[in-house]
Amino acid sequence: QQQVKQSPQSLIVQKGGISIINCAYENTAFDYFPWYQQFPGKGPALLIAIRPDVSEKKEGRFTISFNKSAKQFSLHIMDSQPGDSATYFCAASSFAPLSGAGSYQLTFGKGTKLSVIP
Amino acid sequence: DGGITQSPKYLFRKEGQNVTLSCEQNLNHDAMYWYRQDPGQGLRLIYYSQIVNDFQKGDIAEGYSVSREKKESFPLTVTSAQKNPTAFYLCASSPFRGGVGYTFGSGTRLTVV
Repeated sequence: QQQVKQSPQSLIVQKGGISIINCAYENTAFDYFPWYQQFPGKGPALLIAIRPDVSEKKEGRFTISFNKSAKQFSLHIMDSQPGDSATYFCAASSFAPLSGAGSYQLTFGKGTKLSVIP
Repeated sequence: DGGITQSPKYLFRKEGQNVTLSCEQNLNHDAMYWYRQDPGQGLRLIYYSQIVNDFQKGDIAEGYSVSREKKESFPLTVTSAQKNPTAFYLCASSPFRGGVGYTFGSGTRLTVV
C-alpha cells in the first residue's frame, strides 16, 4: 500500500532527446507527488511536484504527467542536456494523516540514473 | 538562508568504533529523518522524528541510534553493531504536513577503514 514503483532503473538519452521516467503507486490516499534530482555526492533537491487535481504541470523543460485513474505519474525532460545527468527520484505522500506512524513522510521510488550523452 | 547542515562531509571509522553524524536545520521544521543510500538501493529510512523527544524506527534501524533533544538537531550514531556501515547518509526535514517542503541536507559519506 505504501510502495512507489519507479522505472527504468537507468536511462541513456542523446542530447536533445526526451527523457521519460515512470512511477506507479498503490495508495489512493496519496495526494502529493514530487520529483527529486540528485547529483553525485549531493543531497536530493526538489525538482517539480504535482497535486492530483491537475493532469500535467510544466516548469521549463520538466513536465509531470499525472494519471489518477491508472495511479501513475511520469517525469518528462524535454531537450535533455548533459547537465541533466543525475539520479531522479519520484515520491508520494498524503496531506492528510494516514493511519499508523510516519504519516507525513515521503515514500520514495528507488531512483533512475539518467545519463545524457553528447 | 534556511537549510539543513550535515557534518562532517566525509567520515572515516575504524571497525568497532561508534561515530556520530550531525544534522542541524534552521527551517523550523517539526519532522526530521535519516536515510541511508547505497548504490542502486535508493533511499532507505533509518529513523525519523516528528516531535522533540520522540523518534521512531524506520526500515533499517538496526545498528543505529538517534536522539531529538532540540527541534533543530537530530544526530545519528552509527554503532559497532552496524556490520556494513559504509554508505552515504542523508538527513532530511519537513513541516508536519504531508511531504510538502521536504528538504535534504548535502550528506555525509561514511567509510569504514
